[in-house]
Amino acid sequence: DAGVIQSPRHEVTEMGQEVTLRCKPISGHNSLFWYRQTMMRGLELLIYFNNNVPIDDSGMPEDRFSAKMPNASFSTLKIQPSEPRDSAVYFCASSFGLGDNEQFFGPGTRLTVL
Amino acid sequence: GQQLNQSPQSMFIQEGEDVSMNCTSSSIFNTWLWYKQEPGEGPVLLIALYKAGELTSNGRLTAQFGITRKDSFLNISASIPSDVGIYFCAGRSGANNLFFGTGTRLTVIP
Repeated sequence: DAGVIQSPRHEVTEMGQEVTLRCKPISGHNSLFWYRQTMMRGLELLIYFNNNVPIDDSGMPEDRFSAKMPNASFSTLKIQPSEPRDSAVYFCASSFGLGDNEQFFGPGTRLTVL
Repeated sequence: GQQLNQSPQSMFIQEGEDVSMNCTSSSIFNTWLWYKQEPGEGPVLLIALYKAGELTSNGRLTAQFGITRKDSFLNISASIPSDVGIYFCAGRSGANNLFFGTGTRLTVIP
């Protein structure tokens, strides 16, 4: 069975460019999470959706970040314009429901903003 | 965000040795989780703890939910080379947000 799928796996872009990260959750899961991992701050929750609806976006660092989930099988995280300090590994995770239901993580997208 | 302090930051051990790492929080959590992350991959859940005092094993791994609900430990017995990776604790305080520890990087020397 396919796990959480993220694309691209690596992204290198220049400051000021728009970046779009993509995620396909595990089929049947109705909750989706976006995390960011950096050496300085570790793994941080950015936003999560339940049944395609954003529930908590308090972790989104700035207005330059936005996330959408147009349907149950697809979500995007967009950064516009990107800055060097956005360089990190971005993970998507999905679960069946919220609370204590296990979150399954994708392989991540390593973003480098020059 | 809530602070989760994990120690040690890194460990270098000989194959066959036991490993112990712990996590402390300034806040009470209702759930403690332990994850392992390998290079180029996302974290994978190892053990989940739901009650204060709970002791749970998964093969050579054992984890406990501290009585104060502000701490947890993970032990790995008889380490093997494939145990190499970064281990993260995570806590949930009732909402749906998971707060992750800073990680313990484990190196096992054959």
